[in-house]
Amino acid sequence: QVQLVESGGGVVQPGRSLRLSCAASGFSFSSYGMHWVRQAPGKGLEWVAVIWFDGSTKYYADSVKGRFTISRDNSKNTLYLQMISLRAEDTAVYYCARLYNDPGHMDVWGKGTTVTVSS
Amino acid sequence: SYELTQPLSVSVALGQTARITCGGNNIGTKNVHWYQQTPGQAPVMVIYRDSNRPSGIPERFSGSNSENTATLTISRAQVGDEADYYCQVWDSSSAHVVFGGGTKLTVL
Repeated sequence: QVQLVESGGGVVQPGRSLRLSCAASGFSFSSYGMHWVRQAPGKGLEWVAVIWFDGSTKYYADSVKGRFTISRDNSKNTLYLQMISLRAEDTAVYYCARLYNDPGHMDVWGKGTTVTVSS
Repeated sequence: SYELTQPLSVSVALGQTARITCGGNNIGTKNVHWYQQTPGQAPVMVIYRDSNRPSGIPERFSGSNSENTATLTISRAQVGDEADYYCQVWDSSSAHVVFGGGTKLTVL
């Protein structure tokens, strides 16, 4: 069964850092690109970042570029999102999703992990 | 940057056909994907690459894409179809994923 499970969310003060993880199972993780997508409370979906299957290519939304870093460890079947200099507007549910074929094609999603940035 | 425009809300009578549009400049040249999200749940893909249904998605869901508008069509709408629907594309010129703002579907 294909599954993505996010973890690492929590309450953090503005300016601090947090690292999210996404554990993959049920498929060959090293063969697929992966995305992070977030959703602020009561808002729509916002793409955050994508990483190619081998980690060779990464792209970021303008709102997080320079503050967030997407990475992966294919030996551990795990995707990461390192977030620094967190702001109140980064408060959201963060989802990881599998990339299938077309870079925009997200065929499997995790249930999400909640990040709250507040003093 | 590339933008996708969706209506905030669409209402449909039970058993009738709902159409949710997604507007974008020359969107017909891009692959459009559609996601359904119910409250408190993760998004689920309902249409990929304009008009393809993933396994497990009812045939009542269909999609089209031409020129400046992509459309998600839900036939014989059911109460269980009530959700937020998002269109999405990959904008190769900026190497960004772009989501539409989302449409809330209400079945009356």
